[in-house]
Amino acid sequence: SAVISQKPSRDICQRGTSLTIQCQVDSQVTMMFWYRQQPGQSLTLIATANQGSEATYESGFVIDKFPISRPNLTFSTLTVSNMSPEDSSIYLCSVDAGGPADTQYFGPGTRLTVL
Amino acid sequence: SQQGEEDPQALSIQEGENATMNCSYKTSINNLQWYRQNSGRGLVHLILIRSNEREKHSGRLRVTLDTSKKSSSLLITASRAADTASYFCATVDLNDYKLSFGAGTTVTVRA
Repeated sequence: SAVISQKPSRDICQRGTSLTIQCQVDSQVTMMFWYRQQPGQSLTLIATANQGSEATYESGFVIDKFPISRPNLTFSTLTVSNMSPEDSSIYLCSVDAGGPADTQYFGPGTRLTVL
Repeated sequence: SQQGEEDPQALSIQEGENATMNCSYKTSINNLQWYRQNSGRGLVHLILIRSNEREKHSGRLRVTLDTSKKSSSLLITASRAADTASYFCATVDLNDYKLSFGAGTTVTVRA
């Protein structure tokens, strides 16, 4: 299994600012995923991040709003740009467990509140 | 994108009772997975059932899959207070790798 940490665990931000969330894995992984979980809702995939290539974004999510970096096989960042109160959510990163269509290990999440 | 519908949305049971929740989905799948989330934290993988399997057990968990009805159920037997959490089903479509999560069932186990 993989151990995943996220920083920060929570933050309160002002409208119009940006926040970068870090995701660190204790082993090398091919695929990393970023999800958003709005209050009381399920998880929605934002994008898939592979090392050495541009992230692949899901419908409704764009790179200008959620830029992602994946500099190596153990680390990724997600930036939430020009935030509004609607961006208040839990943001979770995950990694694949070992192969396509396999299970995923999730980080503890970053709880973001935008005022 | 979400494709799973789960019911019930919420479930409250007494410690020691069984909890059953259901998940329906819309597409042809490679596998279906169940995850648990405690108090808005990260998700923990519970069990995976492949499209060619009908039933799977893991400890106090029993999962069934009916691909003809595009539905799955998760049974937690002899529930404990520590089972209080939200439970999500997630599907992986054929020829894909991404998880699509259901809406989730919130389970409260009363001591």
